[in-house]
Amino acid sequence: AQKVTQAQTEISVVEKEDVTLDCVYETRDTTYYLFWYKQPPSGELVFLIRRNSFDEQNEISGRYSWNFQKSTSSFNFTITASQVVDSAVYFCALKADNQGGKLIFGQGTELSVKP
Amino acid sequence: DTGVSQDPRHKITKRGQNVTFRCDPISEHNRLYWYRQTLGQGPEFLTYFQNEAQLEKSRLLSDRFSAERPKGSFSTLEIQRTEQGDSAMYLCASSRGRPSGELFFGEGSRLTVL
Repeated sequence: AQKVTQAQTEISVVEKEDVTLDCVYETRDTTYYLFWYKQPPSGELVFLIRRNSFDEQNEISGRYSWNFQKSTSSFNFTITASQVVDSAVYFCALKADNQGGKLIFGQGTELSVKP
Repeated sequence: DTGVSQDPRHKITKRGQNVTFRCDPISEHNRLYWYRQTLGQGPEFLTYFQNEAQLEKSRLLSDRFSAERPKGSFSTLEIQRTEQGDSAMYLCASSRGRPSGELFFGEGSRLTVL
């Protein structure tokens, strides 16, 4: 069975603080893909990043960075110097190579960045 | 606008009525997905199509739910004899069908069953 767990339901920070959103996944597949999506109040899920199971290099994109560790089945997301516009619900998701392309989502972490 | 579009954005209906949602995917995408999202939860997979073929249905998709994708373009999701538990956001997504491909989501259709 495949599962994604985001243990942090809500996080509140003050602007300019760094914040890390945790994601732990379970799968028996050897080839899989991990994703992060952002869901602002408008409701549309916005794709942020994809990582495949064979690439454990961390990635940085502006203020966003991702830490993928197969040994702990984690794919954590860090926002550096958070801004009010980062306030949203963030979802981690898993897709196995042989599962028809469907994404299995975690329950999401609601991030609130206060000025 | 060349993104995924969904219609209607909001639907309020009385219990027992039928409702239908439409999704227009990104034109070059051959895969189309339906998800359901309730408050405070992540999206849950319902079903997906590759072109016009419905390849998988979740156990969440009871016999009151039916989805179609005639001609492999737009898709419809119909809920018959709605129940209050059907109240949710229904999300549509599309992708190119590569295993690694990300899904592009529409803004969703919010259903409220009174």
